[in-house]
Amino acid sequence: EPEVTQTPSHQVTQMGQEVILRCVPISNHLYFYWYRQILGQKVEFLVSFYNNEISEKSEIFDDQFSVERPDGSNFTLKIRSTKLEDSAMYFCASGGRSSDTQYFGPGTRLTVL
Amino acid sequence: SQQGEEDPQALSIQEGENATMNCSYKTSINNLQWYRQNSGRGLVHLILIRSNEREKHSGRLRVTLDTSKKSSSLLITASRAADTASYFCATDLYNFNKFYFGSGTKLNVKP
Repeated sequence: EPEVTQTPSHQVTQMGQEVILRCVPISNHLYFYWYRQILGQKVEFLVSFYNNEISEKSEIFDDQFSVERPDGSNFTLKIRSTKLEDSAMYFCASGGRSSDTQYFGPGTRLTVL
Repeated sequence: SQQGEEDPQALSIQEGENATMNCSYKTSINNLQWYRQNSGRGLVHLILIRSNEREKHSGRLRVTLDTSKKSSSLLITASRAADTASYFCATDLYNFNKFYFGSGTKLNVKP
């Protein structure tokens, strides 16, 4: 069964450093998403992406964040200058249609020191 | 805000009993989805119910949706210890490609 994959599973970085989180969505999906979950808290929507552009973003997704689909298979989330409060699990998801079932990857645990 | 909110926050039952979790939301939706998350792991999609549907079944899961009350329920019948996890509902905003998760119900099924 096709699945969403994410790398790395765990990323440790120093405050102020840039990180890139990578995702490979399910191959025939057209809609892509990033979410984050701070330890013990709810899953929060960050951004949705369709047709090579952002379709929706939350207030969390400020200028420090960017997304890209560089090569037709990968979907990346970049955090330009990490802060302590960016420490969280970051989940990528993909879906075949808007407002359809989203399939989540296993997550990347980001730890900012 | 749009977020779905689950109720109860925590539920502890014996194996074999049924577990019911509720979700309420605030604005019109296209669909509502239920997910399970084992501690520290990813989200597993359980079931999607569209706004024009009232009930759906999948194995031991039964989901209802009442759009007039803006609420949904997830029933797990004949629970097993392996059902121990957090359960989340997620709603979209009608005509917007963004999704909101509730805080979840933490289910503990005792063997």
